Amino acid sequence: QKEVEQNSGPLSVPEGAIASLNCTYSDRGSQSFFWYRQYSGKSPELIMFIYSNGDKEDGRFTAQLNKASQYVSLLIRDSQPSDSATYLCAVRYDYKLSFGAGTTVTVRA
Amino acid sequence: GAVVSQHPSWVICKSGTSVKIECRSLDFQATTMFWYRQFPKQSLMLMATSNEGSKATYEQGVEKDKFLINHASLTLSTLTVTSAHPEDSSFYICSATKGGANTEAFFGQGTRLTVV
Repeated sequence: QKEVEQNSGPLSVPEGAIASLNCTYSDRGSQSFFWYRQYSGKSPELIMFIYSNGDKEDGRFTAQLNKASQYVSLLIRDSQPSDSATYLCAVRYDYKLSFGAGTTVTVRA
Repeated sequence: GAVVSQHPSWVICKSGTSVKIECRSLDFQATTMFWYRQFPKQSLMLMATSNEGSKATYEQGVEKDKFLINHASLTLSTLTVTSAHPEDSSFYICSATKGGANTEAFFGQGTRLTVV
């Protein structure tokens, strides 16, 4: 599987702050990029995906992709306690998804 | 979004027995289904990819005779863990896609397997 690297965290942010998550990937041929949220004992749920360089916003979430740097990030604005979870970066090459180890985020009330 | 249903959500079995896990796409036809395994505090590791009507493609290091995958229809794939041992205890998750390089994957709820 292709390499996908994430800071494991934990990342602790106060309620209302911005949480910033980073992800790098090894294969320049990667085609699409996904951010999933996973609560303990549950399967991942898709937050958003991005294919093209630049920013993509969806509500409180913004994904940023820089293919030249092989870097994708996720910003969570106005963080809420319910955002406390592990965030998985996934990269698609061909038809397969490779996952990073995940970053655990804790939002302090 | 699309719905992928995985059953059972948890199972406890004795060492040496076999366990079957089902993955169904409820409201779409899944051209491809994927099986992952996740150990505690680790990420999802792809075990195999299955396409309807053809043999599954297994990732390196995954024993195909131990993890039997059947993809009999466009809405159902099964994973059978044969002769399970305690080290097979894990969280097994399936996902399905509608097809195409840029389509998202929809995940089942996962199955917590405990082998005692």
